[in-house]
Amino acid sequence: GAGVSQTPSNKVTEKGKYVELRCDPISGHTALYWYRQSLGQGPEFLIYFQGTGAADDSGLPNDRFFAVRPEGSVSTLKIQRTERGDSAVYLCASSLSTGISYEQYFGPGTRLTVT
Amino acid sequence: GENVEQHPSTLSVQEGDSAVIKCTYSDSASNYFPWYKQELGKRPQLIIDIRSNVGEKKDQRIAVTLNKTAKHFSLHITETQPEDSAVYFCAAVGWNTDKLIFGTGTRLQVFP
Repeated sequence: GAGVSQTPSNKVTEKGKYVELRCDPISGHTALYWYRQSLGQGPEFLIYFQGTGAADDSGLPNDRFFAVRPEGSVSTLKIQRTERGDSAVYLCASSLSTGISYEQYFGPGTRLTVT
Repeated sequence: GENVEQHPSTLSVQEGDSAVIKCTYSDSASNYFPWYKQELGKRPQLIIDIRSNVGEKKDQRIAVTLNKTAKHFSLHITETQPEDSAVYFCAAVGWNTDKLIFGTGTRLQVFP
């Protein structure tokens, strides 16, 4: 079946602009995760959802970052007033459920470049 | 919070040799330890995982071992092939959460 998809694949924006990154999880997966990966580093946790609610948003770096999942499927990560330090690959993952550590399947990522 | 350390950062082996990558974690309540392989410009892909109730798991040429007392887990790849060349990440999931905390990665190069 189809895997996790993310759009756009690349996004270039100017410092100070607002961006939205979209994630479509695997059908039937109730848990959705956002990670950020800087060059040469491991993915860094941002937030995860179980259904529509954010179960853990402890990784969001500041209040410029926000994510929603209004219908429990597609999620959007929103970044306000972008800064050059926000440049990274933003990865989305989904899993069947939460609670007993189901495998997380990653999407191809959105490469965000803030100029 | 949980912290995961990974060694070595780079590893070069001859085709056919074995490769071992080691990770340590800080949260003794961690209960799930996946390993991901990431090729250049691609998404991380799960290759094997282990839960805290077992000490070893094998899948063909890949094995993972877990020492809960020492808070260590390791990835073993036998009979390495050039297509095994990639960056490998270990990760841990702590108690009462499902977020993955990743190590810093190991770049494995397998020379023909």
